[in-house]
Amino acid sequence: KNEVEQSPQNLTAQEGEFITINCSYSVGISALHWLQQHPGGGIVSLFMLSSGKKKHGRLIATINIQEKHSSLHITASHPRDSAVYICAIGILTGGGNKLTFGTGTQLKVEL
Amino acid sequence: DGGITQSPKYLFRKEGQNVTLSCEQNLNHDAMYWYRQDPGQGLRLIYYSQIVNDFQKGDIAEGYSVSREKKESFPLTVTSAQKNPTAFYLCASSLPRGTDYGYTFGSGTRLTVV
Repeated sequence: KNEVEQSPQNLTAQEGEFITINCSYSVGISALHWLQQHPGGGIVSLFMLSSGKKKHGRLIATINIQEKHSSLHITASHPRDSAVYICAIGILTGGGNKLTFGTGTQLKVEL
Repeated sequence: DGGITQSPKYLFRKEGQNVTLSCEQNLNHDAMYWYRQDPGQGLRLIYYSQIVNDFQKGDIAEGYSVSREKKESFPLTVTSAQKNPTAFYLCASSLPRGTDYGYTFGSGTRLTVV
């Protein structure tokens, strides 16, 4: 079993819809990251969370440490939001800040 | 603007040849990382370095080598010993050990071995 599980794997939405992507993990973490990967491959960091909730524009990320679960919400979705969204957990070890990644959620927003 | 530069974006090599992927950062980050991405899988850690002249193996280091002679640079060499080198390679950097703040990714290099 992977340490990080994302759902759904694929998601198609209509423009304007409210979107939720879920991430569950099975180990203690120092922080959780939400990342966005566009077709060209480069990755952009959206959020880093260790507790509670963060908001940036139309994006909202929440985390429940006790339940080991995080959600990424997109309000008023737009075709430009189409990308792969990746959840990653940071685990502090003697070796520093390595991340463990989920396999990603492919989001397509249609007009 | 600060960031990470990976070059080249696309790279083609013949089987049996070594190839070096470049990663440069101007963020003044101490830690740097190399990840590999394959279709349908999460990114996997190849090597990481927390400080100049020091680096450690990640989960899939076999067939790869790195160096960290300068704080800004962390090149990755894919050797002929790597059994399946065709993949997307991402470099990242972060602030010092003990914090996740400032984790930044490059735009990646897509390596195809023919």
